[in-house]
Amino acid sequence: SQKIEQNSEALNIQEGKTATLTCNYTNYSPAYLQWYRQDPGRGPVFLLLIRENEKEKRKERLKVTFDTTLKQSLFHITASQPADSATYLCALVDTGGFKTIFGAGTRLFVKA
Amino acid sequence: DGGITQSPKYLFRKEGQNVTLSCEQNLNHDAMYWYRQDPGQGLRLIYYSQIVNDFQKGDIAEGYSVSREKKESFPLTVTSAQKNPTAFYLCASSPRGEGAEAFFGQGTRLTVV
Repeated sequence: SQKIEQNSEALNIQEGKTATLTCNYTNYSPAYLQWYRQDPGRGPVFLLLIRENEKEKRKERLKVTFDTTLKQSLFHITASQPADSATYLCALVDTGGFKTIFGAGTRLFVKA
Repeated sequence: DGGITQSPKYLFRKEGQNVTLSCEQNLNHDAMYWYRQDPGQGLRLIYYSQIVNDFQKGDIAEGYSVSREKKESFPLTVTSAQKNPTAFYLCASSPRGEGAEAFFGQGTRLTVV
């Protein structure tokens, strides 16, 4: 069955460092991969989209890579700030574009 | 203000009762979705709709029902057949276009008492 794995352990880093979160998937060939941010008790908010034929995407302090051979995406936040503390979810979108499956998310804590 | 609104934010239900969660969007999006989120698990798709008067089951549709009579509205009914209904429910919408981002509501936390 289709499976998305994100590190269930929380990631603790110091302010100013780069946070790297991992998303691995199996039994799936997504056309797109998305990353969302979710704060406690709230709905997820879209951050970035990367297509299957793209290797890397950047947006301000965020960078996403997508390796379809390894079936893995890495999400980087550079110069991290305490305000970046949240849960980050990866999501895979099928070719049709309407069915999206989500990982469980990784909780990030950035200490001042 | 454009957006997607879920109500209520908190909902308590007695066992054996049906309950309906509201989801309204004014973003003019064609597609709408319902997800369920449990602690330590990803969002699981319950139902989705690509167009008015049409919807498809997601991965965990048993015990739930939906309707899509208007483009703006996609209510979810949690029936008494749902064995473990206590969860955080999220509604989302997205425009046409492959890979289009989903816009989420603030969620409804349902507790069965």
